[in-house]
Amino acid sequence: DGGITQSPKYLFRKEGQNVTLSCEQNLNHDAMYWYRQDPGQGLRLIYYSQIVNDFQKGDIAEGYSVSREKKESFPLTVTSAQKNPTAFYLCASSTTGQGPNGETQYFGPGTRLLVL
Amino acid sequence: DAKTTQPPSMDCAEGRAANLPCNHSTISGNEYVYWYRQIHSQGPQYIIHGLKNNETNEMASLIITEDRKSSTLILPHATLRDTAVYYCIVRVLGSGAGSYQLTFGKGTKLSVIP
Repeated sequence: DGGITQSPKYLFRKEGQNVTLSCEQNLNHDAMYWYRQDPGQGLRLIYYSQIVNDFQKGDIAEGYSVSREKKESFPLTVTSAQKNPTAFYLCASSTTGQGPNGETQYFGPGTRLLVL
Repeated sequence: DAKTTQPPSMDCAEGRAANLPCNHSTISGNEYVYWYRQIHSQGPQYIIHGLKNNETNEMASLIITEDRKSSTLILPHATLRDTAVYYCIVRVLGSGAGSYQLTFGKGTKLSVIP
């Protein structure tokens, strides 16, 4: 099955702890993204990467870090500096091709992060 | 990216067509209209997108007005599984750094009723 997988589905974080959310895709997409969704709200972009070994901050990057060592993987670390990490985290991927069918973003199932 | 306006909620009887409107009166000529939906506690699902011509795929049809200031997503035979929040997004493709961000508003909560 082609698609995007995120793990775990639920994650609990203790105060002062860093946690890493996994995102893997086998769609051969160059671009990957991390969004955060709070209850009743839309999605906000945390980080995105258009190519391996390169990534850019989105609107709410503070308290988060990412890496892109492989095309298939784009893990997100929620650091202790993120004071309000409880949210639903969504990973997406897309091609970077020009034209009307390029760049459509496809989403994973999400990880719900809760602070203990 | 242009701002969109959608009704907060709609009901549709099972088996009937669901018509979800979206206003995007400030859309520019190179902005596409995208539709996604999100079923509770799941990731958003891509439905369809278009520039100015009407589009149809296995999930839905997208009707864009001639002046491109509004569009309608049509689910031809709604089922209970179509109950979700539907998001209308306009965006420019391929315009460099930051162009990839999808700006999700609050969408329309569609309830399909048996």
